[in-house]
Amino acid sequence: KAGVTQTPRYLIKTRGQQVTLSCSPISGHRSVSWYQQTPGQGLQFLFEYFSETQRNKGNFPGRFSGRQFSNSRSEMNVSTLELGDSALYLCASSVTWGQLFFGEGSRLTVL
Amino acid sequence: QQQVKQSPQSLIVQKGGIPIINCAYENTAFDYFPWYQQFPGKGPALLIAIRPDVSEKKEGRFTISFNKSAKQFSLHIMDSQPGDSATYFCAASPNTGNQFYFGTGTSLTVIP
Repeated sequence: KAGVTQTPRYLIKTRGQQVTLSCSPISGHRSVSWYQQTPGQGLQFLFEYFSETQRNKGNFPGRFSGRQFSNSRSEMNVSTLELGDSALYLCASSVTWGQLFFGEGSRLTVL
Repeated sequence: QQQVKQSPQSLIVQKGGIPIINCAYENTAFDYFPWYQQFPGKGPALLIAIRPDVSEKKEGRFTISFNKSAKQFSLHIMDSQPGDSATYFCAASPNTGNQFYFGTGTSLTVIP
């Protein structure tokens, strides 16, 4: 069974630009969550989608948004990028609740 | 505000030693406590998890000890091996979906 696939793996943007990251969950998984990982902060929860509906949202500004499609694939978007948005963005899928299966992440660098 | 506090930040042990990583939480609504292992360039992978109705859980060389009254839990790695060298994260979640609160991670190095 294929794991969680995230694209792109690496990207460089400049301040003020926007970025869209993509996540394909494990087949059959209906929950997709997004986390931001930075050194010293660990993983910070962004949001979770379940059956195309946002089920939970973390404490991030409105510049961070996401969506889930009918095939459970998910995208997250960050608008008006700031230097502090440089991080590894991890997507995780789950059947319903509990064990998270993480992808390898999309590493975003903002210059 | 870190809802799950993890220590130590880094840990070095000899092969065969028993590293111990500790986590503490305040939110009594948390009822699921997993540990994740992350190797460089990879996403975290679930190692072992526990619910608060159990004080200890073992899976192979990995053991979680849980103290509900103290709101603390810890990971013990028995007979540690160089291949266990990785970053370990504790986490906690209420039963309201997949919103997990992670600790800041512990970088473990096992010296041969």
